[in-house]
Amino acid sequence: EVQLVESGGSLVKPGGSLRLSCAASGFAFSRYSMNWVRQVPGKGLEWVSTLSSNSYYIYYADSVRGRFTISRDNAKNSVDLQMNNLSAEDTAVYYCARDHSLGVPGGFDVWGQGTTVTVSS
Amino acid sequence: QSVLTQPPSASGTPGQRVTISCSGSSSNIGANTVNWYQQLPGTAPKFLIYSNYLRPSGVPDRFSGSKSGTSASLAISGLQSEDEADYYCAAWDDSLNGWVFGGGTKLTVL
Repeated sequence: EVQLVESGGSLVKPGGSLRLSCAASGFAFSRYSMNWVRQVPGKGLEWVSTLSSNSYYIYYADSVRGRFTISRDNAKNSVDLQMNNLSAEDTAVYYCARDHSLGVPGGFDVWGQGTTVTVSS
Repeated sequence: QSVLTQPPSASGTPGQRVTISCSGSSSNIGANTVNWYQQLPGTAPKFLIYSNYLRPSGVPDRFSGSKSGTSASLAISGLQSEDEADYYCAAWDDSLNGWVFGGGTKLTVL
């Protein structure tokens, strides 16, 4: 079964750091670009970051650039999101998502269940 | 304020056909293909339509997509109660170098 499982979400103070992880299984992880998408409860979806299969291409939303870092370990079938200098605006459910295209960005065909990040003092 | 513009709500009765619009610009919808996602309450989004009109395996053919210029549409025919969900359009934006989403449309089946 193709599956993505996120972990690492928790309550963190403003200015703090957190590292999210996404474990992939059931597919050839190393062939796919991976993404993080977040959603404030009750609000819409916001793309956060994309990392190509070989880690050559990395993209960030303006709202997180310079504070968040995406990385992957193809040997462990995992993708991480290191989040620094967090603020209340980063409070959201964070989803890991696979890009269905093996080349140019094509869309998110597999999603994890999400992990909740709450930034509050 | 989302880069792609969707109506906040839509509604229909069982069996009806409803459409949801998505408006963008030359750097996103005008330059790239559009995807649609369905998010049922309390669940992760689901890949519904990709490359403007293609359906992933398992998506009923009641769902269809189209694109013209800088706008796209999602149509749902034979509306069913289980179609009640939030629907999001998305496209890659060449100016922003990233994905942009619509604000989402909440579909109510009356």
